[in-house]
Amino acid sequence: EPEVTQTPSHQVTQMGQEVILRCVPISNHLYFYWYRQILGQKVEFLVSFYNNEISEKSEIFDDQFSVERPDGSNFTLKIRSTKLEDSAMYFCASRGSGTGDTGELFFGEGSRLTVL
Amino acid sequence: EDKVVQSPLSLVVHEGDTVTLNCSYEVTNFRSLLWYKQEKKAPTFLFMLTSSGIEKKSGRLSSILDKKELSSILNITATQTGDSAIYLCAVPTFPTGNQFYFGTGTSLTVIP
Repeated sequence: EPEVTQTPSHQVTQMGQEVILRCVPISNHLYFYWYRQILGQKVEFLVSFYNNEISEKSEIFDDQFSVERPDGSNFTLKIRSTKLEDSAMYFCASRGSGTGDTGELFFGEGSRLTVL
Repeated sequence: EDKVVQSPLSLVVHEGDTVTLNCSYEVTNFRSLLWYKQEKKAPTFLFMLTSSGIEKKSGRLSSILDKKELSSILNITATQTGDSAIYLCAVPTFPTGNQFYFGTGTSLTVIP
């Protein structure tokens, strides 16, 4: 069964460092997402990406964050100058195509980021 | 402001019990509601509901949407320890459908 894969599964970094979280969405999907979940809190939308550009982003997704699809398969989230409060589980998700598609999101296993 | 609220926040039951989890939403341009099960890591899809009053069923799990009440319930009958998880409700925003609003989840613990 096709799946969304994420690396690394866990990353520990020092405050102020830059991290890149990587995702390989399901191959025929066109919509890509990053969500995060701070421990004990709800899953929060960060950004959606379609047709090689950001289609929507939340207030959380400020200049500290950026996304890229450097090739035909990878989808990355870069967090510059990490802060303690960036510690969370970051989920990548993708879904299929279709105008106004109500299809399900397929989630990756998540990348746990710990900022010390 | 669009939002999704789930209740209860947590629930502890014994194996064999039946549970009902609730999700209410206030979302403009509602089109669908999705239920996910989150065990250790990634949420896994359970149901997508688009039509009011039509029950979706998968084994011991079932779910139904009530558009008048702006809510949905997820039922689990004859619970097993493997049902222990956080159950998430999510509603995509439209017209883009790009952003999914998640509730805080209901943490279900099934005791043997």
